[in-house]
Amino acid sequence: DIVLTQSPDTLSLSPGERATLSCRASQSVSNTYLGWYQQTPGQAPRLLISGASSRAAGIPDRFSGSGSGTDFTLTITRLEPEDFAVYYCQYQREFGQGTKVEI
Amino acid sequence: QMQLQESGPGLVQPSETLSLTCSVSGVSVSSSAFYWGWIRQSPGRGLECLGSVSYTGTSYYRPSLRSRVSISIDTSKNEVSLRLSSVTAADTATYFCARQYGSAWFAPWGQGTLVTVAS
Repeated sequence: DIVLTQSPDTLSLSPGERATLSCRASQSVSNTYLGWYQQTPGQAPRLLISGASSRAAGIPDRFSGSGSGTDFTLTITRLEPEDFAVYYCQYQREFGQGTKVEI
Repeated sequence: QMQLQESGPGLVQPSETLSLTCSVSGVSVSSSAFYWGWIRQSPGRGLECLGSVSYTGTSYYRPSLRSRVSISIDTSKNEVSLRLSSVTAADTATYFCARQYGSAWFAPWGQGTLVTVAS
């Protein structure tokens, strides 16, 4: 089974700063099935990125995804107050453990 | 607009069967392009996909849960159901239903329902 490891566990930043989140797969995977999600307290996860780099409908362009093989990145170029949340990567039916972006 | 809504008991006795229903509106569950999945979340296990099934009958169940989990689709009610048997405290979690695009991403998700296993 694929294991997804996210780093760091917690990222402490300020509004306006850039966030770079990493997701590493235990073996090479297809970009097609790599997704990123955002979860705020009390809410369900929301799809941000599909296919490793395609923004889902309604997602602001400050969110971008990149990577291939075993290493993938979610970048938030300028953090807005509503972006402080937990972010998960996903491959097929496996999820990473999450990265918390906090102020 | 597509919406998913989970429902079911919030408390289940140990060793009994957890049964949840996901009511889907705005799209037919019989679309062959999609799977319908159940994902749970608990502090100790993070996000864990229990399984997903398609209208065509193709299914995936998490290997560690395969003997206990069953997911079914009711096209007449446009619902997706989850059954998890022989539950223990370790099955206490918030359970989400979600549409899965093939074997790829999950969107949208229901709001989730908390299920506690306790006597």
